[in-house]
Amino acid sequence: GAVVSQHPSWVICKSGTSVKIECRSLDFQATTMFWYRQFPKQSLMLMATSNEGSKATYEQGVEKDKFLINHASLTLSTLTVTSAHPEDSSFYICSATGLTDTQYFGPGTRLTVL
Amino acid sequence: EDQVTQSPEALRLQEGESSSLNCSYTVSGLRGLFWYRQDPGKGPEFLFTLYSAGEEKEKERLKATLTKKESFLHITAPKPEDSATYLCAVQITGNQFYFGTGTSLTVIP
Repeated sequence: GAVVSQHPSWVICKSGTSVKIECRSLDFQATTMFWYRQFPKQSLMLMATSNEGSKATYEQGVEKDKFLINHASLTLSTLTVTSAHPEDSSFYICSATGLTDTQYFGPGTRLTVL
Repeated sequence: EDQVTQSPEALRLQEGESSSLNCSYTVSGLRGLFWYRQDPGKGPEFLFTLYSAGEEKEKERLKATLTKKESFLHITAPKPEDSATYLCAVQITGNQFYFGTGTSLTVIP
């Protein structure tokens, strides 16, 4: 149980384009979803927290107009990187909590912006 | 200031050589402490949740313990497949979590 999926697992895009990453909880209802960014050999950096049907809460320094988060249902959250640039290249990971406070993580999405 | 520190940063063990990873925390009100395992290029995999001092959890060769100031992840007779980065996270409130920077474990055959 408690499986979280992400799609795509990797994506390469041109600078200036937008990329959408999906995060789904497959076997539980996710009341809260988190989006993280991780650089090589570094720990997780929280970008934002979202509750179903509410606006996401962004961490300080994260541009909400650049990283659009939508949590439209109890099983789906999306992260859209708008007008992506090479510095946005990173490993993006989502997590979800349901009935318990335990965060279950997705497998991550590797974004490369050329 | 709320803080989570993991040590050591990196650990190399011979296969079968038991050891412990440390996660110390200074937070105002612990709601839960979580241990995760992360393999390169993958998302963290949940291992344990601990809620109160004195609590212990075990899974195969891993055992997690919790005191009022720190948690230990004990690895007994590790195997090469235990090589990974181990992360701990502390929950303060409902949605407020602090992650440590992880311990990179390498088990040599």
